Amino acid sequence: QKEVEQDPGPLSVPEGAIVSLNCTYSNSAFQYFMWYRQYSRKGPELLMYTYSSGNKEDGRFTAQVDKSSKYISLFIRDSQPSDSATYLCAILTSGTYKYIFGTGTRLKVLA
Amino acid sequence: DTGVSQDPRHKITKRGQNVTFRCDPISEHNRLYWYRQTLGQGPEFLTYFQNEAQLEKSRLLSDRFSAERPKGSFSTLEIQRTEQGDSAMYLCASSLTGGRAGEQYFGPGTRLTVT
Repeated sequence: QKEVEQDPGPLSVPEGAIVSLNCTYSNSAFQYFMWYRQYSRKGPELLMYTYSSGNKEDGRFTAQVDKSSKYISLFIRDSQPSDSATYLCAILTSGTYKYIFGTGTRLKVLA
Repeated sequence: DTGVSQDPRHKITKRGQNVTFRCDPISEHNRLYWYRQTLGQGPEFLTYFQNEAQLEKSRLLSDRFSAERPKGSFSTLEIQRTEQGDSAMYLCASSLTGGRAGEQYFGPGTRLTVT
């Protein structure tokens, strides 16, 4: 079983839709949870990070962590064509520097 | 441009050859990471440096891979006796101690093709 599972998509939505992206993880020792966005032929860039269960909001983006279910989500409100990219979840255990990434979900927002 | 830079951007080599990639992190960043990313996959952690010390290395990294960061600034990743399975994007990232968890700044990557 992979440590982090993520549906690779692709996911196509119309402009303005609410997008829900999800990951599950297997190790309850994981403590930090991140979402990165990666445009084609670019390196990933950090969107959101959190270390506790609950929601964290930043503009149109909301990250949600449910440690009891080992489930993390990213919601994008009012999606735009410029949001078309691959979204990667990543997890880190405190005391290590080995970030574990999901496979990424490819998102396409149609104008 | 003050971001992370990587050189070369593309490298084509024949199986069995050695290749070396360079990463220049953001100047004040003391942490440096190397990752490998294949098509349709997320980045896979290879190794981590804090200043010049290599503090963590993936068990997946075979003896053919070596990384250095001699003066705590730029870093090199060398692959010896390349194999076709080494074809991938090699990403470098840097960060600052005390920064937010996950706040790594990635370079554009070096795409390696082994023929």
